Amino acid sequence: DAGVTQSPTHLIKTRGQHVTLRCSPISGHKSVSWYQQVLGQGPQFIFQYYEKEERGRGNFPDRFSARQFPNYSSELNVNALLLGDSALYLCASSSYRTGGDTQYFGPGTRLTVL
Amino acid sequence: AQSVAQPEDQVNVAEGNPLTVKCTYSVSGNPYLFWYVQYPNRGLQFLLKYITGDNLVKGSYGFEAEFNKSQTSFHLKKPSALVSDSALYFCAVRDYGNNRLAFGKGNQVVVIP
Repeated sequence: DAGVTQSPTHLIKTRGQHVTLRCSPISGHKSVSWYQQVLGQGPQFIFQYYEKEERGRGNFPDRFSARQFPNYSSELNVNALLLGDSALYLCASSSYRTGGDTQYFGPGTRLTVL
Repeated sequence: AQSVAQPEDQVNVAEGNPLTVKCTYSVSGNPYLFWYVQYPNRGLQFLLKYITGDNLVKGSYGFEAEFNKSQTSFHLKKPSALVSDSALYFCAVRDYGNNRLAFGKGNQVVVIP
């Protein structure tokens, strides 16, 4: 089975622009989570979606938004990009919403803001 | 709030020697603990997890981890390190009913041939 896929692989934007990142979960997984990994740090939780509803939000500004589609794929949107938004954005999928369920990560999208 | 501490920035070990990567955690309830590995310019790859039961957990590629509730630790171990184990290792925690993983800052492991 295919793992978690993300697109695009790399992206270069300028300050003030908008970006959309996409994620397809492992087949059968209903939960998608988004994380931001700044260079030299561990991933930071941004959002979780389960059954197309937002189930959790990390400490990120309203410029960050996301949604989940009926096929369980997901988009992360970031408006009014800042230099500090440059990071690796990771998508993770899992079967359930909470508990000891394992989250499986995609390869990430490397966003560079100039 | 849940959190993880990985006290060492880098762990150097000779090939064939035992490898240990340290992790301590803080949660309000019972923890779910995970180890992931990240190779350069790649996503995170799951190694193993502790949910309940036996305190010694065995995972992929010969890695294992020991859960110690009294010391709130979950150290990752491998009896004999390989050069290919050189990578960035992350410990993560999630408490019951929570929907997010809290990661440590990561440990760079360098296995010297």
